[in-house]
Amino acid sequence: EVQLVESGGDLVQPGGSLRLSCSASEFTFSSYEMFWVRQAPGKGLEWISYVSGGGETTYYADAVKGRFIVSRDNSMKSLFLQMNSLRVEDTAIYYCARDNGYAIDYWGQGTLVTVSS
Amino acid sequence: QSVLTQPPSVSAAPGQKVTISCSGGSSNIGNNYVSWYQHLPGAAPNLLIYDGDKRPSGIPHRFSGSKSGTSASLGITGLQTGDEAVYYCGAWDSSLNAYVFGSGTEVTVL
Repeated sequence: EVQLVESGGDLVQPGGSLRLSCSASEFTFSSYEMFWVRQAPGKGLEWISYVSGGGETTYYADAVKGRFIVSRDNSMKSLFLQMNSLRVEDTAIYYCARDNGYAIDYWGQGTLVTVSS
Repeated sequence: QSVLTQPPSVSAAPGQKVTISCSGGSSNIGNNYVSWYQHLPGAAPNLLIYDGDKRPSGIPHRFSGSKSGTSASLGITGLQTGDEAVYYCGAWDSSLNAYVFGSGTEVTVL
């Protein structure tokens, strides 16, 4: 069964940095495009980043552009999100998600990032 | 302000049917695949419908999808208390180079 397991969520002060990881298993990781999606408290789902299967193409939501960097290590079957200059409004559950070309077909359980002083 | 527009909430009695609409544009629903996700409290979102009207294996036939032009809809028949959740439509937006979600529709079983 396909599994996506996020880690790295934590409490961090405004202006700080954090790196999230997502470990994938039971599928050919390099063949799939991957997303990060977040949900802030009381809000809906918000897509924040995309990375192609080889890692050469990335896209970001305007809310995180210039502050977050998505990357992947296909040899380790891992996805990363480097989060810099964190703001209170970045507080959310962050999900790693697989794109099968039609839809997001698998989601991780999420990792909580809290930005607060 | 979401790119895809959904009603905030719908409700119906057990056993009845609800329909959730999702309105977008030519750069997303009109020319890309639209999907529907169920998000139960405390759980990860779950794919219900992809490519407008297709169900992944394991999704009951009670859930159905349709698409026409730049709009899509999700139908749930035989409503059950376990269907209480927030439902999101989603699609890639070719103009934004972004995946866009609707604002979510909360389904309540009366």
